[in-house]
Amino acid sequence: KAGVTQTPRYLIKTRGQQVTLSCSPISGHRSVSWYQQTPGQGLQFLFEYFSETQRNKGNFPGRFSGRQFSNSRSEMNVSTLELGDSALYLCASSPPGQGTHEQYFGPGTRLTVT
Amino acid sequence: GENVEQHPSTLSVQEGDSAVIKCTYSDSASNYFPWYKQELGKGPQLIIDIRSNVGEKKDQRIAVTLNKTAKHFSLHITETQPEDSAVYFCAAKGGGADGLTFGKGTHLIIQP
Repeated sequence: KAGVTQTPRYLIKTRGQQVTLSCSPISGHRSVSWYQQTPGQGLQFLFEYFSETQRNKGNFPGRFSGRQFSNSRSEMNVSTLELGDSALYLCASSPPGQGTHEQYFGPGTRLTVT
Repeated sequence: GENVEQHPSTLSVQEGDSAVIKCTYSDSASNYFPWYKQELGKGPQLIIDIRSNVGEKKDQRIAVTLNKTAKHFSLHITETQPEDSAVYFCAAKGGGADGLTFGKGTHLIIQP
């Protein structure tokens, strides 16, 4: 079974621009979570989507948003990019089932803001 | 919200020796504790997890122990091998509606 895929793998943007990152979960997984990883703050939870609805949200400004499509694929968007948004953005999917907590991560998208 | 502390930040052990990484958490309602291994240029890989109704879990050379009373859990790797070199993260899922809360990571170095 293929793992979580994320596109693009690398991205360079300029301050003030916006960016959209894409994530395809493992086949059959309906829950998708997004995390930001930086050397200073580590791994931080952004949001979780299930059945096209945002189920949970971390402590990030409204510039960070996401959505999920009917095929469980997810996108996250960051508007008005700041230098501090440079990070590895990770997507994780979870298998179906009540009380299932396992999360399987993709390789990430490395975003550099200049 | 949940807060997870992880120690040490760097751990160097001789090949064949054991390695232990420790984490503490703050939310007594947390009920799920995974461990991830992250190699350079890759996403975190789930290596083992434990739920709050279990005290210990083992998978070949890897084991995790959980002490709910003290709110800490540990990763034990025995007979370490060069391919065990990586950054290891502990995490906890709190009782609220948040995602996983991660520790800051431990850079494990296996000396030949």
